[in-house]
Amino acid sequence: RKEVEQDPGPFNVPEGATVAFNCTYSNSASQSFFWYRQDCRKEPKLLMSVYSSGNEDGRFTAQLNRASQYISLLIRDSKLSDSATYLCVVTPPAVMNTGFQKLVFGTGTRLLVSP
Amino acid sequence: DTEVTQTPKHLVMGMTNKKSLKCEQHMGHRAMYWYKQKAKKPPELMFVYSYEKLSINESVPSRFSPECPNSSLLNLHLHALQPEDSALYLCASSQEGIRQDTNYGYTFGSGTRLTVV
Repeated sequence: RKEVEQDPGPFNVPEGATVAFNCTYSNSASQSFFWYRQDCRKEPKLLMSVYSSGNEDGRFTAQLNRASQYISLLIRDSKLSDSATYLCVVTPPAVMNTGFQKLVFGTGTRLLVSP
Repeated sequence: DTEVTQTPKHLVMGMTNKKSLKCEQHMGHRAMYWYKQKAKKPPELMFVYSYEKLSINESVPSRFSPECPNSSLLNLHLHALQPEDSALYLCASSQEGIRQDTNYGYTFGSGTRLTVV
């Protein structure tokens, strides 16, 4: 079983639509959770952290369910510029208290927003 | 300065060549990372340096040799690569820490797109 699983898509939606992505992770001791965005041939960039209480940043809402080991991202009022691959990212427990964290990426979900 | 700078942006090398990828950050981050990303796949961790010491090697073949000359620089030396090593090589850096729910300023460089011929 992969550490982080996502539906690869693509999700094809019209402008203005609401779209939701889901992600599951296998390590129940995972510490931190993020959504990254990656544009074609570019580096991944942090979109938002995901907190246990859920959090919102403008049109984007992220939710975490630790009991079900499930993370979601909701995008409202989709824009053409939202077209990208959305990567679910999990950090397993820090190794030997070394103080750094490795990022474990899901395969990514591709979003295509059309006019 | 909140950037991670990688050079070169593109590299084409033969299987007998020796080349190096370079990464630099001036954010005072004490952890630096190399990731490899094949086309249509997610980034996969290769190496982690923490306080200029190699902390993680994710079973990477010895034809990839990392080096951390100082806290701002990270190199990846390449020798005798194979065509299947062609990929986007991403460098990243972060602050140190083990608290939950924080990104620790994890920042990626724009990557080096490597083609092995």
